[in-house]
Amino acid sequence: GAVVSQHPSRVICKSGTSVKIECRSLDFQATTMFWYRQFPKQSLMLMATSNEGSKATYEQGVEKDKFLINHASLTLSTLTVTSAHPEDSSFYICSARESAGERTDTQYFGPGTRLTVL
Amino acid sequence: AQSVTQLGSHVSVSEGALVLLRCNYSSSVPPYLFWYVQYPNQGLQLLLKYTTGATLVKGINGFEAEFKKSETSFHLTKPSAHMSDAAEYFCAVRKNRDDKIIFGKGTRLHILP
Repeated sequence: GAVVSQHPSRVICKSGTSVKIECRSLDFQATTMFWYRQFPKQSLMLMATSNEGSKATYEQGVEKDKFLINHASLTLSTLTVTSAHPEDSSFYICSARESAGERTDTQYFGPGTRLTVL
Repeated sequence: AQSVTQLGSHVSVSEGALVLLRCNYSSSVPPYLFWYVQYPNQGLQLLLKYTTGATLVKGINGFEAEFKKSETSFHLTKPSAHMSDAAEYFCAVRKNRDDKIIFGKGTRLHILP
């Protein structure tokens, strides 16, 4: 149980294009999902907290207009990198926290999406 | 504010030897503490967590960690290393159930044959 998926797992795009990454909780409902960014050989940096049905909360220094987050249902959150540039190339990881039950204190992580912007 | 310090960005141990990965935290309130493992090009997998209760926590793959409030530590151990344990390990802290998780910088564990 508690599986989180991400799609796509890897994407290569041209500079200036937009890329959408999906994060799904497969066997549980997640009121809250989190989006992280990880540069090579570094830790995860929280970008934003996504709450179902409301606006995401962005961390300091993260451009909300560049990284659009939508959490339209209890099992899906999307991150759209708009007008991507090479410096946006990174490993993006989402996580989800169960809405109710015994596992509400644990975040479950997706497998990540490797974005390469040419 | 919460923070996590992992001592040693790289740790090497021989196969069959004790694994010890160090983690110290800073928190203004009793924290939730986690250890996650990450294999190359993959997401994070929860190894174990401490919320309340018993301070010695057992996790998956034979790992365990002990919460020591007096030392503000949550070191991860495994009695006997296996080659498959080679990965990146992250210690993390959270203030409460609804707060965000703060990760340490990670420790890469190398297993020597």
